[in-house]
Amino acid sequence: AQKVTQAQTEISVVEKEDVTLDCVYETRDTTYYLFWYKQPPSGELVFLIRRNSFDEQNEISGRYSWNFQKSTSSFNFTITASQVVDSAVYFCALSEAQNTGFQKLVFGTGTRLLVSP
Amino acid sequence: DTGVSQNPRHKITKRGQNVTFRCDPISEHNRLYWYRQTLGQGPEFLTYFQNEAQLEKSRLLSDRFSAERPKGSFSTLEIQRTEQGDSAMYLCASRETGGSYNEQFFGPGTRLTVL
Repeated sequence: AQKVTQAQTEISVVEKEDVTLDCVYETRDTTYYLFWYKQPPSGELVFLIRRNSFDEQNEISGRYSWNFQKSTSSFNFTITASQVVDSAVYFCALSEAQNTGFQKLVFGTGTRLLVSP
Repeated sequence: DTGVSQNPRHKITKRGQNVTFRCDPISEHNRLYWYRQTLGQGPEFLTYFQNEAQLEKSRLLSDRFSAERPKGSFSTLEIQRTEQGDSAMYLCASRETGGSYNEQFFGPGTRLTVL
C-alpha cells in the first residue's frame, strides 16, 4: 500500500532562514511519481514539482530545492532564505504508475510553515 | 482565467439536505478528479473521470455520493442526506491527456459545512 509521511506538523522560522520539509514514502511499486504541492491560506493547491522514481537528480528552482533519495525513501524540500510569502501548508504526494493513465495521488498530512518577519 | 474553477466556494447546509457542487476543469484536460480534505489532513481521493466515463471510485464514496461528467467537460458531485461528517473541503483537479507523469491542477475547492 502507498503511504506518505510528513512527520513535521508545523515549522516556524524567521524570514531569511533556510528550512527543510521532510517527506518519507512507502510503495511496493518500482515505478512511481512524487510531487510537492503548496496550499496557501486561500486553499488552492499549487503544484511545485514532480519527480519520477528513475530520476534521482536533485533539482533547484530559485530558492527551492528538492533532495530525492530512493535508498531512504525520502523526497525532502528545502526553501532557502525563506520569505513571509512562503507561509503555507506544504504537501508531499505519491502516485504509482498506471498504464491506463489513472493517477491517484496519495498525500501526506502536510507541514504548516510559518515564516515571520 | 484558464484554471480549474469550482462553484460554490462555500456551502452551509443543514443535516439531511442534498448539496451539489460543480467543477469546470481546464478545457483541454480530459481527466478529472475529486478529492476530499478534512481539517489538518491531506486531500483524499474520491473518484476519477476520463472524459465522461467514471473509471475509479474510492471506498470513501458512499452510496450517498454521486458524481457525473455528462459531456466530458464539467463535473458535478452530489451528496444526498448530508451528515455532519461530510463537512470538508471538496477539491477538483484536472490533468491533460498522457501517462501518469504529468501533474494534476487543482481548483480552489468548495468548503462544505453541515450543521
